[in-house]
Amino acid sequence: DADVTQTPRNRITKTGKRIMLECSQTKGHDRMYWYRQDPGLGLRLIYYSFDVKDINKGEISDGYSVSRQAQAKFSLSLESAIPNQTALYFCATSDLHPSLDTQYFGPGTRLTVL
Amino acid sequence: GQQLNQSPQSMFIQEGEDVSMNCTSSSIFNTWLWYKQDPGEGPVLLIALYKAGELTSNGRLTAQFGITRKDSFLNISASIPSDVGIYFCGSETGNQFYFGTGTSLTVIP
Repeated sequence: DADVTQTPRNRITKTGKRIMLECSQTKGHDRMYWYRQDPGLGLRLIYYSFDVKDINKGEISDGYSVSRQAQAKFSLSLESAIPNQTALYFCATSDLHPSLDTQYFGPGTRLTVL
Repeated sequence: GQQLNQSPQSMFIQEGEDVSMNCTSSSIFNTWLWYKQDPGEGPVLLIALYKAGELTSNGRLTAQFGITRKDSFLNISASIPSDVGIYFCGSETGNQFYFGTGTSLTVIP
């Protein structure tokens, strides 16, 4: 079984709809992250969480919200989706050391907003 | 936010050829990482570099941390079809993470 899972893997939605992307991990890591990837751009950090009670904004948090329901679960929500949020979204986890080289990435969710 | 400049954007090579790609930045970094992303999968860390001038190998992959600490390159020797994918670099300062725009590699059998 995969250590980091994301659901759904693909989603097509319409402008204005609320959508939630979910991430679960079995690695026992405390830290979880959400990134988006756009063609021609590198990964960009949306939100990150160092534990269940800690949520932090990343580089591009506008238009997104997150919920850390448990150590193993970190959800990303788009309250009112817009077309420029069409992207590939990745969840990642890391252990107590927050450096980039300790992050494990999920398989991604491809989101299309029409 | 800052992005790392990566080139080339794409490469089409014959199986057996060697490949080279690089990342540059206007800022100094203490870490350079190289990832591979297969279609439909998340990035996987290939090589991590932590010291200026460091040269590290992982099988047919070799990466170097530039002396100026503003660049890094990745070489793949004797390419095979399963090398196909997107390769990108990454680095960080504190809780800020930076990633390259990726090099799409196609290997022609």
